[in-house]
Amino acid sequence: EDKVVQSPLSLVVHEGDTVTLNCSYEVTNFRSLLWYKQEKKAPTFLFMLTSSGIEKKSGRLSSILDKKELSSILNITATQTGDSAIYLCAVSPNYGQNFVFGPGTRLSVLP
Amino acid sequence: EAGVAQSPRYKIIEKRQSVAFWCNPISGHATLYWYQQILGQGPKLLIQFQNNGVVDDSQLPKDRFSAERLKGVDSTLKIQPAKLEDSAVYLCASSLVYANTGELFFGEGSRLTVL
Repeated sequence: EDKVVQSPLSLVVHEGDTVTLNCSYEVTNFRSLLWYKQEKKAPTFLFMLTSSGIEKKSGRLSSILDKKELSSILNITATQTGDSAIYLCAVSPNYGQNFVFGPGTRLSVLP
Repeated sequence: EAGVAQSPRYKIIEKRQSVAFWCNPISGHATLYWYQQILGQGPKLLIQFQNNGVVDDSQLPKDRFSAERLKGVDSTLKIQPAKLEDSAVYLCASSLVYANTGELFFGEGSRLTVL
């Protein structure tokens, strides 16, 4: 059975801290890994990763995939209160097929 | 570009009642997904459509849940009869067919509370 695990499940930090969120997976025929940010409404897309070792960056957020370790990390530097959200990791096991989501990491950034 | 539209945003019903949720995907998106997200968990796929055909409904509780996408555009998800454990947010998402980005576009969800 395809599975996505995220850690930690919950994290509380202060503004300015750097955080690293982890995602590991067990799926057949890995196609891509995606990160989403979910505040109080719809998840919004952050990154898609398909190749090992290539870092994707967007402002203070960055992510990298390690296919050997079947895992990915999402880094957020200089955190702000607006980064408070649930961060979801999803994996696509097959081309054109559905995405398997992890349980999410709930990040709380305190002022 | 209009996003994925869902309604209603909130619904409270008693157990054993029925409920229906509607979703209109982004124009041109052939693939439509319904996900169930229980509080504290990640979204779980209920059903995936490609145009008006079902690609995957292996996790849909077919004794009480049904979904259709008759004209390959908007979709309806129905629960009848509802159980307490159906309390969740029902997320609709859409994507281009075999899009290289693999990105899903989500609606804001329909929050169901079953009393």
